[in-house]
Amino acid sequence: EVQLVESGGGLVQPGRSLKLSCVASGFTFSNYGMNWIRQAPGKGLEWVAYISSGSSYIYYAETVKGRFTISRDNAKNTLYLQMTSLRSEDTALYYCARELPLAYWGQGTLVTVSS
Amino acid sequence: NTVMTQSPTSMFISVGDRVTMNCKASQNVGTNVDWYQQKTGQSPKLLIYGASNRYTGVPDRFTGSGSGTDFTLTISNMQAEDLAVYYCLQYNYNPPWTFGGGTKLELK
Repeated sequence: EVQLVESGGGLVQPGRSLKLSCVASGFTFSNYGMNWIRQAPGKGLEWVAYISSGSSYIYYAETVKGRFTISRDNAKNTLYLQMTSLRSEDTALYYCARELPLAYWGQGTLVTVSS
Repeated sequence: NTVMTQSPTSMFISVGDRVTMNCKASQNVGTNVDWYQQKTGQSPKLLIYGASNRYTGVPDRFTGSGSGTDFTLTISNMQAEDLAVYYCLQYNYNPPWTFGGGTKLELK
């Protein structure tokens, strides 16, 4: 059974940093690209970042480019999102999801940016 | 970036209704559109990929159609368990990929 489990969310002050993790199981992690997608409270879905299976291709939404860094450790079956210079508008539930189509999603980890 | 405009933003429906919702792309995206269902408090679930391909286990009352800039998701015989927010996603070319704003189905 494919499972994606996010962690690392929490309350953080504006301007600070936070690192999210997503541990994958039930499939060969190193064969698949991975995504981060977020959802602000009561709002719609926003694609955030993508990393290819071997980390050769990385893309970001304009809203996070230069502040967020997606990475992965295939030996640990883990996807990461390093978030810096956080803003209140980054407050959201952050999901990791496997490749396209997005057939597998985690349950999300909540990031709240507030002073 | 390609903008995906979903309509309507909400619909009040009854069990048994035929429901049609739309997604319009700001440029040609071919058939590179998926549809997702999100129930309250849950992660989104894939319904349709490649504009018209039903994902494994999705009931056949869900049908996707369209190409180019105009896409439609139809629920032929609305069930109570279909109450949710539905999102389209375009993934033409390289990212950024963009979701529509969602269509919320509510009971009359």
